[in-house]
Amino acid sequence: QVHLVESGGGLVKPGGSLRLSCAASGFAFNEYYMTWIRQAPGKGLEWVSYISSSSSIIYYADSVKSRFTISRDNAKNSLYLQMNSLRADDTAVYYCGRDFGDVVPAAIDHWGQGTLVTVSS
Amino acid sequence: DIQMTQSPSSLSASVGDRVIITCRASQNIATYLNWYQQKAGRAPKLLIYAASSLQSGVPSRFSGSGSGTEFTLTITSLQPEDFASYYCQQSFTPSSGGGHTTSFGGGTRVEIK
Repeated sequence: QVHLVESGGGLVKPGGSLRLSCAASGFAFNEYYMTWIRQAPGKGLEWVSYISSSSSIIYYADSVKSRFTISRDNAKNSLYLQMNSLRADDTAVYYCGRDFGDVVPAAIDHWGQGTLVTVSS
Repeated sequence: DIQMTQSPSSLSASVGDRVIITCRASQNIATYLNWYQQKAGRAPKLLIYAASSLQSGVPSRFSGSGSGTEFTLTITSLQPEDFASYYCQQSFTPSSGGGHTTSFGGGTRVEIK
């Protein structure tokens, strides 16, 4: 049974940093693209970043490029999102997801429960 | 970047109704289109991938169609548990390179009439 559990969210001041983690279980983590998606309060879904199974391919949304860094540790079945220079508009629930695409991302077939990041002074 | 436009943004329907949600892409995305359902306070759930393929475990009253720039999600005989928000997502990778990004439609909220 696929299980994704995010952690690391919380309240942070503008300009601050936060590192999100996603613990994966129930599947061969090292064989899948993984992704971060966020959702601002009362708003729609916004893609943040993808990372390939071997970490060789990484993509970012323009809104987070140069501020956020996605990474993974296949030995620990874990996905990470390092968020720097945080702004108020980064406030959102952050979901990690498993993408079942092979060579390129295709669709997110499993999602975590999400972790809330609030950026406020 | 590819923009996804969903319509309507919300609708009211009754149990047993047939519901159709439309998603339009700003450029040709072939059939690289997925649909998700999200209930309040919950993570999204994949319903349809590749425009018309039903995800395992999803009831057959959900169906998807379309290609190119126009797509539809149809729910035949709406059930009480179907009242939720629905999002489309494009997963098109340009053959010209430049990487892969994805984007979601703005969502459609299905409410009880």
